[in-house]
Amino acid sequence: SYVLTQPPSVSVAPGQTARITCGGNDIGSKSVHWYQQKPGQAPVLVVYDDSDRPSGIPERFSGSNSGNTATLTLSRVEAGDEADYYCQVWDSSSDHRVFGPGTQVTVL
Amino acid sequence: QVQLVESGGGLVKPGGSLRLSCGVSGFTFSDYYMSWFRQAPGKGLEWVSYISDSSRYIKYADSVKGRFTISRDNAKNSLYLQMNSLRAEDTAFYYCARDRGAAADPNDYWGQGTLVTVSS
Repeated sequence: SYVLTQPPSVSVAPGQTARITCGGNDIGSKSVHWYQQKPGQAPVLVVYDDSDRPSGIPERFSGSNSGNTATLTLSRVEAGDEADYYCQVWDSSSDHRVFGPGTQVTVL
Repeated sequence: QVQLVESGGGLVKPGGSLRLSCGVSGFTFSDYYMSWFRQAPGKGLEWVSYISDSSRYIKYADSVKGRFTISRDNAKNSLYLQMNSLRAEDTAFYYCARDRGAAADPNDYWGQGTLVTVSS
């Protein structure tokens, strides 16, 4: 089955940029989606199809995907961005949806 | 606005059964694929199952295949998850979510979740 990797945690100062990586074999050939989840809340889609943003998601959230790494970039980080972030792809070989283990973003 | 509300969670003994429901409003339910996900306390997200708009196409995670059954009633705007032969490792918050499209597409709206606890 397809495996995704993410760093367990990322720390960033307010106003700075946080980059969260999602690694997978040839992930650049897949569409990557990113979800934000705050404690006690349901996940929220923040980036889909590598780099598109749903309506209502700030432009500070951006994504890219190439080779074996997809990246979610949080620019001008705010305290309210503190959450867990999960990447997700569809594995066509198994027809399963796969999540990364999640990255906890801490705003210092 | 789009709303998804799960119900049916609770405490069940190992080997027991439970049926989760997800009532939706704010969009044409019959036009969308739907999915179930779960999250064990303190753990990451796990996809459980999805069902196509017409129920023709269904898929399960290996961890629940043969024990869980997804279904939907488009007339009632409702999604279901029948869970049988429950195990301790099935303890989790269960979320229903709308699929933006088909299998490769993301889930753009989620319910708030319902907790299933499997324990003797």
